[in-house]
Amino acid sequence: DAGVIQSPRHEVTEMGQEVTLRCKPISGHDYLFWYRQTMMRGLELLIYFNNNVPIDDSGMPEDRFSAKMPNASFSTLKIQPSEPRDSAVYFCASSKRGHLGSEQFFGPGTRLTVL
Amino acid sequence: GNSVTQMEGPVTLSEEAFLTINCTYTATGYPSLFWYVQYPGEGLQLLLKATKADDKGSNKGFEATYRKETTSFHLEKGSVQVSDSAVYFCALTLNAGGTSYGKLTFGQGTILTVHP
Repeated sequence: DAGVIQSPRHEVTEMGQEVTLRCKPISGHDYLFWYRQTMMRGLELLIYFNNNVPIDDSGMPEDRFSAKMPNASFSTLKIQPSEPRDSAVYFCASSKRGHLGSEQFFGPGTRLTVL
Repeated sequence: GNSVTQMEGPVTLSEEAFLTINCTYTATGYPSLFWYVQYPGEGLQLLLKATKADDKGSNKGFEATYRKETTSFHLEKGSVQVSDSAVYFCALTLNAGGTSYGKLTFGQGTILTVHP
C-alpha cells in the first residue's frame, strides 16, 4: 500500500484566498483524522471521521475551516478565507477500528504558508 | 478527561548516552499506549506500543513498559545515535471490549538532539 497520501505537499497563498488540502487514506481504514502542527501550539486534532461521518469537530478553530469526506478514499480540509495565523503543517492520518491498540498512519503533511 | 504529560524538552545528549523520556497519563477508561516519532520534515510514525498493563513495547532499541500503578509509559534507550534525533510523542487511545476507539490523545512532544 502507498500509505496515506496528501496533496499538495507545500502551499503558499495570500491572505484571503481559499485553500483546499486533500487526503487519501489507506484502503480499508475506517477512521480519518486531520491534525495541525505549529511550534506554538504543537499537534492539534482538528476533526475526525468514522465511516465518512464526522464524529468530533471540536478542534476546528472557527467557521473558516471545513472538512468533508465524500467517500471512503478521499477527504478535504478547506480554509476560506485563509489568514497568516493558519500557517502550519497539516497532517492527515487514518486507522482501522476493531483492533486493540490500532495504529494511526500519518501522511507526510502539507506545509501551508499564508502571506 | 484523558491527558498525556511528557517531560519538558528539548533533550540534548551525546552519542551512546542513555535516554529516558518520561510520560504519564490520565484516562477515564482502559487505554492502549503509544510512542510516536517524527523525523525532520516527516509525518509521525509509530515507534512502539503496549495494549495492557505490564506489557513492554520495543522497537529499534527503544523500550517502554506500561505501568498501570504509576500511570506511566516512559521511553528508554540504552545507547542513542545521531539518527535518533527527532521529536517523540507519547499518546493513548481508549479501548473497550477489545476494540480501539481510534482517537489518540497526544502529549506535547519532546525534542531529542543527539550530538556525535
